Amino acid sequence: DAKTTQPTSMDCAEGRAANLPCNHSTISGNEYVYWYRQIHSQGPQYIIHGLKNNETNEMASLIITEDRKSSTLILPHATLRDTAVYYCIVRGDMEYGNKLVFGAGTILRVKS
Amino acid sequence: ETGVTQTPRHLVMGMTNKKSLKCEQHLGHNAMYWYKQSAKKPLELMFVYNFKEQTENNSVPSRFSPECPNSSHLFLHLHTLQPEDSALYLCASSQAPGSFNEKLFFGSGTQLSVL
Repeated sequence: DAKTTQPTSMDCAEGRAANLPCNHSTISGNEYVYWYRQIHSQGPQYIIHGLKNNETNEMASLIITEDRKSSTLILPHATLRDTAVYYCIVRGDMEYGNKLVFGAGTILRVKS
Repeated sequence: ETGVTQTPRHLVMGMTNKKSLKCEQHLGHNAMYWYKQSAKKPLELMFVYNFKEQTENNSVPSRFSPECPNSSHLFLHLHTLQPEDSALYLCASSQAPGSFNEKLFFGSGTQLSVL
């Protein structure tokens, strides 16, 4: 079972920041938050992950609240090519082995 | 280009046919995965291989038979499938399987239609 809650869909204007929220209120202390996205007709693509500190890479920023019960993925300047399904995933501990459990995700539509 | 190549991209087969899906990764990873994505459903993990050894079989029916001859190649052999098996089949690979820094790299998938 997915441990996260995401909005079904969001729209964003091209060139603006896209802020995708994720709730993970039952996250435990050793679980990380991962984000992947899936562009239509392609396989998912890793974006970013974090434990409790904010993270930034060339694709996005990840902001995790202090209580770690929610997070936000930020695409600073969304383009049409960022239209995709975005998955927020809480990764289990080693007991769960290699499993990444994907939920339904958020459909992000970037519009010109 | 993610370094994970899947062939064929599209496959149509009858219920009595035998076919195979192929996956090759050029990333030097040790773990490979098969996922299934049915229409309007989340991705489902099917199999995991780590250093050529199967470490996960997520209660997949025996009509799906995986094979991992080496760390770079993964196959999914299909026989006597059902129409409900029609889906996008995705292969992925990773380094450091099971670690919290693991990143999965996916191929573009094989879109399978069973008639």
